[in-house]
Amino acid sequence: EDKVVQSPLSLVVHEGDTVTLNCSYEVTNFRSLLWYKQEKKAPTFLFMLTSSGIEKKSGRLSSILDKKELFSILNITATQTGDSAVYLCAVFNTNAGKSTFGDGTTLTVKP
Amino acid sequence: NAGVTQTPKFRVLKTGQSMTLLCAQDMNHEYMYWYRQDPGMGLRLIHYSVGEGTTAKGEVPDGYNVSRLKKQNFLLGLESAAPSQTSVYFCASSYASASGSHEQYFGPGTRLTVT
Repeated sequence: EDKVVQSPLSLVVHEGDTVTLNCSYEVTNFRSLLWYKQEKKAPTFLFMLTSSGIEKKSGRLSSILDKKELFSILNITATQTGDSAVYLCAVFNTNAGKSTFGDGTTLTVKP
Repeated sequence: NAGVTQTPKFRVLKTGQSMTLLCAQDMNHEYMYWYRQDPGMGLRLIHYSVGEGTTAKGEVPDGYNVSRLKKQNFLLGLESAAPSQTSVYFCASSYASASGSHEQYFGPGTRLTVT
């Protein structure tokens, strides 16, 4: 059975800090790993990393996939209060045609 | 484009009642999913569909049924609601891009309370 584990479960930082969120996975027929941000409503897409992608960057956010060790990290630099959210990691099983989500990391950024 | 829509947005049921949640997408996506999200937890897959007329069980299918008669619609049914089914339900859709991405587009959610 596919499995995704995220750590830490929650994190409290102050504006300007840098945070690292972790995601480890076990999945048969891995196709892609995706990060989502959820702010009290539906999740929204952040990044997708496939077997051929290693690092993605978008402004203050960046993500790395380590295919050998089966994990990914999401980095947020110079955090802002607007970054407060639940960050979800998911892996897509290409044979089954479905994604498995982790329980998420709740990030709180204090002014 | 409306994207993914869900109806209703809120519902309160008594134990034993039945209901159907409707999900519609206008992006011509092949894949559709129903998730539930309980407080402090991630998304757990209930049922999903990889194409019109096909459905499959996810992690937590018991007590739910689904149908995908039209490509744009995915219905989730509760035949006899139980308090354990109190949750927020999200529908999502996706397509297989050339890069292999299955980025999912989510509906706004349905908050269901079973008393």
